[in-house]
Amino acid sequence: DAGVTQSPTHLIKTRGQHVTLRCSPISGHKSVSWYQQVLGQGPQFIFQYYEKEERGRGNFPDRFSARQFPNYSSELNVNALLLGDSALYLCASSMSTGEGTNEKLFFGSGTQLSVL
Amino acid sequence: AQKITQTQPGMFVQEKEAVTLDCTYDTSDPSYGLFWYKQPSSGEMIFLIYQGSYDQQNATEGRYSLNFQKARKSANLVISASQLGDSAMYFCAMRSTGNTPLVFGKGTRLSVIA
Repeated sequence: DAGVTQSPTHLIKTRGQHVTLRCSPISGHKSVSWYQQVLGQGPQFIFQYYEKEERGRGNFPDRFSARQFPNYSSELNVNALLLGDSALYLCASSMSTGEGTNEKLFFGSGTQLSVL
Repeated sequence: AQKITQTQPGMFVQEKEAVTLDCTYDTSDPSYGLFWYKQPSSGEMIFLIYQGSYDQQNATEGRYSLNFQKARKSANLVISASQLGDSAMYFCAMRSTGNTPLVFGKGTRLSVIA
């Protein structure tokens, strides 16, 4: 079975541009979460979607938005890019909403975004 | 608020030796889960092991074991018989109940030496 797939793997943008990152979850997984990992840090939570509804949002500005499609794939959009948005963006999928403490997240390999 | 602290930026271990990666956490929730993930240079976060706050025994998964000391709020990862392929970043993470997100520490870079 395929794992979590993300596209593109690498992306270079300039300040002020817009970017769309894509994620396909593991088959049967209904929840998708997005994380930002700046170099030298651990991943930071951006969004969680379950059954096309936003279930959680981290401390990120409104320039960040996301959505989930009927096939459970997801897009992360970032507007008006800043140099500080340069990071590895990780997508993770899971079976359910994560109400329990033992809900395991399965991660993709990420999209490396460089903003020049 | 939940917080994970990993105080070892980098660790070296000889091949076939055991190594302990430290993790302390802070939370006021009585029910929580602790996770360890491995991140090789490819970028993918790979799940290694899970420990629930109410689990009586320390979790084990193959060569990985979790040394859970609840009173000290520590959840150290022990890797036995280290292999060259274990060289990677290791992240400790936690979540509480109620659909809270996974919170990660800053990670420890493990280098296994032949």
